[in-house]
Amino acid sequence: DAGVTQSPTHLIKTRGQQVTLRCSPKSGHDTVSWYQQALGQGPQFIFQYYEEEERQRGNFPDRFSGHQFPNYSSELNVNALLLGDSALYLCASSFTGPEVTQYFGPGTRLTVL
Amino acid sequence: AQSVAQPEDQVNVAEGNPLTVKCTYSVSGNPYLFWYVQYPNRGLQFLLKYITGDNLVKGSYGFEAEFNKSQTSFHLKKPSALVSDSALYFCAVRGRGGGGADGLTFGKGTHLIIQP
Repeated sequence: DAGVTQSPTHLIKTRGQQVTLRCSPKSGHDTVSWYQQALGQGPQFIFQYYEEEERQRGNFPDRFSGHQFPNYSSELNVNALLLGDSALYLCASSFTGPEVTQYFGPGTRLTVL
Repeated sequence: AQSVAQPEDQVNVAEGNPLTVKCTYSVSGNPYLFWYVQYPNRGLQFLLKYITGDNLVKGSYGFEAEFNKSQTSFHLKKPSALVSDSALYFCAVRGRGGGGADGLTFGKGTHLIIQP
């Protein structure tokens, strides 16, 4: 049983560009959450998707957007990249519910030059 | 708003000695509490969680954590440390509101270094 997978592993972009990151959840999971982990910091919640809709959003600007597909996989899009967007982007999947465990993928390392 | 504090950036323990990694939290109402571990260039691995019931929670790799409601703490412990336990440890909290839509709020992490 595959765990959470993310692609690509690494990505280098320049300021002002747009990027799309992809996530496939663990088998059976229907909820996907995205987190940004800056160097030396804990992960910060970006947003969560369930039933193809954004359910909750953390303190991130509208440049960050997402999508969930019928097979529960998800994309994170970031527009107009800033140097400060350089980070490890983590996807987590789970069943729905507040008590459930979120299982994390290996992350995508984004570097903005 | 909910928050997590991990007061120690780094904890050093000799192999074979007990270890404790501290975590305190702030949340409205009763919390769901989690511990994750991160190895270099890897995602987060789930260790254990507190939902309700017994205040002592047992998890993976011999780790356990004690929930203390009066002190709003959820310290991670292990009776005998291994060199392979050296990693970055994160405490996280989620409040019981929001219908399950709340993301996790993480602390800044504690580097655990086990010396041979």
